[in-house]
Amino acid sequence: NAGVTQTPKFRILKIGQSMTLQCAQDMNHNYMYWYRQDPGMGLKLIYYSVGAGITDKGEVPNGYNVSRSTTEDFPLRLELAAPSQTSVYFCASTRGGSYEQYFGPGTRLTVT
Amino acid sequence: DAKTTQPPSMDCAEGRAANLPCNHSTISGNEYVYWYRQIHSQGPQYIIHGLKNNETNEMASLIITEDRKSSTLILPHATLRDTAVYYCIVRLPHGSGNTGKLIFGQGTTLQVKP
Repeated sequence: NAGVTQTPKFRILKIGQSMTLQCAQDMNHNYMYWYRQDPGMGLKLIYYSVGAGITDKGEVPNGYNVSRSTTEDFPLRLELAAPSQTSVYFCASTRGGSYEQYFGPGTRLTVT
Repeated sequence: DAKTTQPPSMDCAEGRAANLPCNHSTISGNEYVYWYRQIHSQGPQYIIHGLKNNETNEMASLIITEDRKSSTLILPHATLRDTAVYYCIVRLPHGSGNTGKLIFGQGTTLQVKP
């Protein structure tokens, strides 16, 4: 299993541009999550999904959108990028219950 | 989800046991204690979790006090590769409307020294 994969690894955006961060898992997990991590801080939840077709907001959803058309994929869309969205973005998945979450390697995004 | 309190940093000598404390005095009866670590901005890595009993796996041991208000993560023989930020998180299991999201605090930065 590849686990949780994220693309791209790095990206520089100009203010006002848009992009989609890709996340995929091959473990048939129902639950998927997007977190962001600012320098020196813990992770904060942006959006999550409990299954295909079902998504909901986390702590810091403003400026982002998600979709979950398949079990495997959970892309995160940034519209009108702002410098405040400069961060490292992590995707995670879990099978549910009390099982652990598996994290991807992260996407490092800079908005200038 | 209950809040946790951890010391911001700790040092440990290589080869010695690293004992990382965590307070979770408001933990509810069905909340689990999880430990994750993050090595140099990589994705967080799961270490161990428990509900009431002490737990051990190939990476670490988890000691939960009888009143469940605190716990200790033990790395029995710390190596330089264990230098990381360690997060203690309490959360409900999925089901009954619980989404299983993790709430990360600042964690403890463990520095293992030669």
